[in-house]
Amino acid sequence: AQSVTQLDSQVPVFEEAPVELRCNYSSSVSVYLFWYVQYPNQGLQLLLKYLSGSTLVKGINGFEAEFNKSQTSFHLRKPSVHISDTAEYFCAVGKTSYDKVIFGPGTSLSVIP
Amino acid sequence: GAVVSQHPSWVICKSGTSVKIECRSLDFQATTMFWYRQFPKQSLMLMATSNEGSKATYEQGVEKDKFLINHASLTLSTLTVTSAHPEDSSFYICSARGSLYEQYFGPGTRLTVT
Repeated sequence: AQSVTQLDSQVPVFEEAPVELRCNYSSSVSVYLFWYVQYPNQGLQLLLKYLSGSTLVKGINGFEAEFNKSQTSFHLRKPSVHISDTAEYFCAVGKTSYDKVIFGPGTSLSVIP
Repeated sequence: GAVVSQHPSWVICKSGTSVKIECRSLDFQATTMFWYRQFPKQSLMLMATSNEGSKATYEQGVEKDKFLINHASLTLSTLTVTSAHPEDSSFYICSARGSLYEQYFGPGTRLTVT
């Protein structure tokens, strides 16, 4: 069975500061990893995904994530956040790029002006 | 491209009534769609996998007689919440598997049962 842990439920950060949102997963098989963002009362938007290849993945809106197989982690980073980055962020794992995914509990990012 | 829509975006119904939520893939065909449920301030939980032309596969703990899923065409899946109760109030999100083997999410439907 697969599972996802997001260690921080809430992350406050000042505008223009860097941020890292942590994600760890467990799985007995190779998996695909995703980060999604959800703005209030909206659906999900894919930020980035790791399927294979380079462990550093770049996504939209200046976000990037690094896959670390030995630590079973897929942390999301952004060097300088904006007010508009305030949202809920979900890490997810799936067996393929198109199959059902298991979501982590989410991290609420609040950017403080 | 690869847009998934949901209708309605917000619905209020009285306890005991049924409500239908539609999920459409607008510019691609989707043989498989997924239905998720999200409670306030919580993560998304997979409810069921919907395959065109066959019965849906429900996750453990999801009442299939309460949450009826129909995937009658390659662009439409519906979720009907039967005999809705206040505890069914939630945000329901669908996703669809596209031809490029990607998964695309709809904008969600907020259901409030009074």
